Amino acid sequence: GDSVTQMEGPVTLSEEAFLTINCTYTATGYPSLFWYVQYPGEGLQLLLKATKADDKGSNKGFEATYRKETTSFHLEKGSVQVSDSAVYFCALSLYNTDKLIFGTGTRLQVFP
Amino acid sequence: SAVISQKPSRDICQRGTSLTIQCQVDSQVTMMFWYRQQPGQSLTLIATANQGSEATYESGFVIDKFPISRPNLTFSTLTVSNMSPEDSSIYLCSVGVGADTQYFGPGTRLTVL
Repeated sequence: GDSVTQMEGPVTLSEEAFLTINCTYTATGYPSLFWYVQYPGEGLQLLLKATKADDKGSNKGFEATYRKETTSFHLEKGSVQVSDSAVYFCALSLYNTDKLIFGTGTRLQVFP
Repeated sequence: SAVISQKPSRDICQRGTSLTIQCQVDSQVTMMFWYRQQPGQSLTLIATANQGSEATYESGFVIDKFPISRPNLTFSTLTVSNMSPEDSSIYLCSVGVGADTQYFGPGTRLTVL
C-alpha cells in the first residue's frame, strides 16, 4: 500500500550545520508531497510542498525536491538555527483523494 | 490559508466517559478531517467529516466510538466515546484548502485516567 518512510531521529546538530532529513515514499500514481513541522507544544504547520516530479518546494530556508526516479523528497537546510528544533513529518496525498499519509516523524534538536 | 481553532486545548478524563472536541474554521471549507496522534507516533486519519451526510471512517475507526458531526461548512465536532487510557492522544482537525493542501488546528491533548 501507499506509505511514507522517514529516517529515524532524533537528529542532533549544532547551530549553522547542514541538515538533511531523508524521506522516501511508495504510492500508486503520482502523489503530491509535503513536509509539515510541529514545534514543541504546537500543532502541525505546512512547511513546503511539491506537486509533480522535479518540483522544488521551499520555505524558511528549507528545500525539498520531488524525485520520481528515487521516490524521494528529502528535506534540506543549509544552516540550521536553534529555533528549527521541532518534529518534521513527511507526507503524501494521492491524486483526487485529499487524504494525507504521514511518515513517523523525525525529531530535530539544534544546540547553540 | 485558514485559521482553525479547537476546543478544548486539553482535558483529563475518567475512563468510561465521553469527550466532545470542537473544530472551528474562519472560512467555509468543503473538506474537514480528524486525525489522532498517539504519544510519540505519527498522525493517523480517523475520518473525513462530510457536511450534510455521515462521516467517512478509515479502517480501524467506527462511528460508535468516534461519532462526528458537521452541521455547516465552518464547524465540526469529534466525540471520543466510552474512553479508555488507550485513547490518550492528541486529536487534530484539519481542513482542505486549494489543491492538495491541508491546514491543521492546534490539537486537543486528551489524557484518560
